Amino acid sequence: QVQLVESGGGLVKPGGSLRLSCAASGFTFNDHYMSWIRQAPGKGLEWLSYISNSDNSIYYADSVKGRFTISRDNAKNSLYLQMDSLRAEDTAVYYCARDGGRYSGRSYDYWGQGTLVTVSS
Amino acid sequence: DIQLTQSPSFLSASVGDRVTITCRASQGIGTYLAWYQHKPGEVPKLLIYAASTLQSGVPSRFSGSGSGAAFTLTISGLQPEDFATYYCQQLDSYPRTFGQGTKVEIK
Repeated sequence: QVQLVESGGGLVKPGGSLRLSCAASGFTFNDHYMSWIRQAPGKGLEWLSYISNSDNSIYYADSVKGRFTISRDNAKNSLYLQMDSLRAEDTAVYYCARDGGRYSGRSYDYWGQGTLVTVSS
Repeated sequence: DIQLTQSPSFLSASVGDRVTITCRASQGIGTYLAWYQHKPGEVPKLLIYAASTLQSGVPSRFSGSGSGAAFTLTISGLQPEDFATYYCQQLDSYPRTFGQGTKVEIK
């Protein structure tokens, strides 16, 4: 079955860096676009970034542009999010999600369980 | 960027009620809209895509409608397991914005 497992979250000081990983299994990873979404405490879902299946197309939300970098390694069935210059407002649960493609209207049909990032001194 | 506005932000309802949540886009998005259910401590779950297509395995009491800039999610006969926060998301362009969410609580 489809599984997405995030890792790499934790406590980091403001200005610090963290790299999140998302290990995919149960489907052909390089057939799917992937995204990162987060939820800050008490807040709603916030879309962060997208990468196409061959990583020739990438988009970011303005809130993370220039600080976060999305990437993928299709050989390792893995998605990454490099987060630099972290701020307190980046504290959130971070989810990776699979774009289901045209058969799901490009919606996110599978999500990982999330990994918590806490930015605090 | 396309903004999505959900209403209401909070809804109190009883088991068996018919519930309707509205999502309005700041510009037309065709039917490029999805609805998700999110419960505390759980993973967001896709309910509806392409504005009105029920995701496999989702109960038929959930339905979606609309096109252009106005959309609705309806739950016909609210069940105890339906108390959650619901989000719409536009899939027309990047950034793929979400609505602010509608929390459905037990009356």
